[in-house]
Amino acid sequence: AQKITQTQPGMFVQEKEAVTLDCTYDTSDPSYGLFWYKQPSSGEMIFLIYQGSYDQQNATEGRYSLNFQKARKSANLVISASQLGDSAMYFCAMRGNLGGFKTIFGAGTRLFVKA
Amino acid sequence: DTGVSQDPRHKITKRGQNVTFRCDPISEHNRLYWYRQTLGQGPEFLTYFQNEAQLEKSRLLSDRFSAERPKGSFSTLEIQRTEQGDSAMYLCATMPGRMNTEAFFGQGTRLTVV
Repeated sequence: AQKITQTQPGMFVQEKEAVTLDCTYDTSDPSYGLFWYKQPSSGEMIFLIYQGSYDQQNATEGRYSLNFQKARKSANLVISASQLGDSAMYFCAMRGNLGGFKTIFGAGTRLFVKA
Repeated sequence: DTGVSQDPRHKITKRGQNVTFRCDPISEHNRLYWYRQTLGQGPEFLTYFQNEAQLEKSRLLSDRFSAERPKGSFSTLEIQRTEQGDSAMYLCATMPGRMNTEAFFGQGTRLTVV
């Protein structure tokens, strides 16, 4: 079975500082992908970043980077230079080759960026 | 084609009524997924289609729920005899057949059962 765990229900960060959102996962699938999505109060799910299980380097997309530690089964999201517009729910998600490519999600972390 | 479209955006219904939601995918996406999201939680998988075939249903999908995707294009999710516990956001997501791509989400249908 696949499982995503996000242990931080809420996080605060000062504007312009960096923040790390934690994510651990469990899977028996040898090949999988890890994703982070942002969900602002308007409700849409916005894709942020993707990491493949066989990728040698950590993924980066602008201010977002994914700290992938395969042996620890962790895929933490780092947001640099936080902005007020980063305040939202953040979901870690995983998809494997087994089970129909369905994406499973963690419970989320609500990020509050303080001015 | 600008993205995944869901209709309606909001639905308020009385307990016991039937409701139907529609999802129009990105045209070249052969995989379509339905999720349910309750307040403060992550989306929970309900069911998925590859083209017109429904390949998996979650145990969350009771016999009051049914989903279809005729001709592998749009999909509908019907809830019969709605209960207050069905109140949630229902999200549709689609993707092409590649593993290493994100799922594209619609804006969801928010259901309130009163």
